Amino acid sequence: DARVTQTPRHKVTEMGQEVTMRCQPILGHNTVFWYRQTMMQGLELLAYFRNRAPLDDSGMPKDRFSAEMPDATLATLKIQPSEPRDSAVYFCASGFQPGQAMIKGYGYTFGSGTRLTVV
Amino acid sequence: RKEVEQDPGPFNVPEGATVAFNCTYSNSASQSFFWYRQDCRKEPKLLMSVYSSGNEDGRFTAQLNRASQYISLLIRDSKLSDSATYLCSAGYIPTFGRGTSLIVHP
Repeated sequence: DARVTQTPRHKVTEMGQEVTMRCQPILGHNTVFWYRQTMMQGLELLAYFRNRAPLDDSGMPKDRFSAEMPDATLATLKIQPSEPRDSAVYFCASGFQPGQAMIKGYGYTFGSGTRLTVV
Repeated sequence: RKEVEQDPGPFNVPEGATVAFNCTYSNSASQSFFWYRQDCRKEPKLLMSVYSSGNEDGRFTAQLNRASQYISLLIRDSKLSDSATYLCSAGYIPTFGRGTSLIVHP
């Protein structure tokens, strides 16, 4: 089965440090999402790319978070500086959205996530 | 108020039982609906799509009620292995509920 690959699986860092999370979407998928999951908030959308273009990052704290997709095989999510409240599991998901059919979407495949702990 | 709401449960049922979950969504323009399953400390995995006409996959049936803006998941003949959290999503840019926990006991 094709997989979405995320690295690292676990990250423990000190407050104030930069954190970079990486995601390799499934080959042929043109859509990438970044979600954050916590017990309190559930899955929250952070960023959304289609054909490598950022389309929605309204859920992302802009002062410290940034998301990029330098090529079709790599999406990154950076936090600088990190804070304890950023501790969560960060998931990347990929899928295919046809360009013309803006209404209906398709299900998405999630990576295994990066479990981030900021101390 | 979250855009997608689910009863967190847990739903505690014996093997062989039939169990149903509902999920309400607030954006009436949503067109894409899915159910995902998430095991403890794992990623969500796509379970099935949800259509107005209903969608059945083995023991699982998903339904969409546009008038009342909810989707449902019915699990028949529950197995121990069905124990997990079930997440619903709504919208072209998926918004998720917090999930409903299902525990199937012997």
